[in-house]
Amino acid sequence: EADIYQTPRYLVIGTGKKITLECSQTMGHDKMYWYQQDPGMELHLIHYSYGVNSTEKGDLSSESTVSRIRTEHFPLTLESARPSHTSQYLCASSEYDWGTEAFFGQGTRLTVV
Amino acid sequence: QKEVEQNSGPLSVPEGAIASLNCTYSDRVSQSFFWYRQYSGKSPELIMSIYSNGDKEDGRFTAQLNKASQYVSLLIRDSQPSDSATYLCAADVIQGAQKLVFGQGTRLTINP
Repeated sequence: EADIYQTPRYLVIGTGKKITLECSQTMGHDKMYWYQQDPGMELHLIHYSYGVNSTEKGDLSSESTVSRIRTEHFPLTLESARPSHTSQYLCASSEYDWGTEAFFGQGTRLTVV
Repeated sequence: QKEVEQNSGPLSVPEGAIASLNCTYSDRVSQSFFWYRQYSGKSPELIMSIYSNGDKEDGRFTAQLNKASQYVSLLIRDSQPSDSATYLCAADVIQGAQKLVFGQGTRLTINP
């Protein structure tokens, strides 16, 4: 079983609020990812990291930001939530080398009202 | 061209038949490929990986990699209703930044 955790699982929040989605892994993985997925739609990479102090933007433009101060922790922040941010956010991690399995957290379903 | 592309389906297969899922890829990805299964409302989970040309079998699942034609496929034999899910093909991008990218996914329904 993968040791990667996301909190909260579900979040309903008002427009304009600042939110942080947490993602932690205990596997010592260097690579971590954030994907955004609407129901029945494809996964879109929004942020990734190779290791501490490394963050990159993904293929889908996102108003969110991330940080990687510790290997095990990769939080995602929205400074001012909008209804268009309503989606499922999935965090994943893998070892640094190519060809290694990525493990996913259980996801955070965000609804902005 | 996207790095990894799948026919989005949906694909409907009768129970007990073989389900065939396909994925093509570009030169920008590594030669390591993954098939993930995602049940509705759940996170993706890895079911198979393949790195070498040819077939790789694991129970009812067979992954096939054809590097010359740049496609990778997943066969599910003796399909069961519990196999109904979205199947995602994934690969590491190696040109530019290293990142794991997914195809659009193929929604598979096994009909009893």
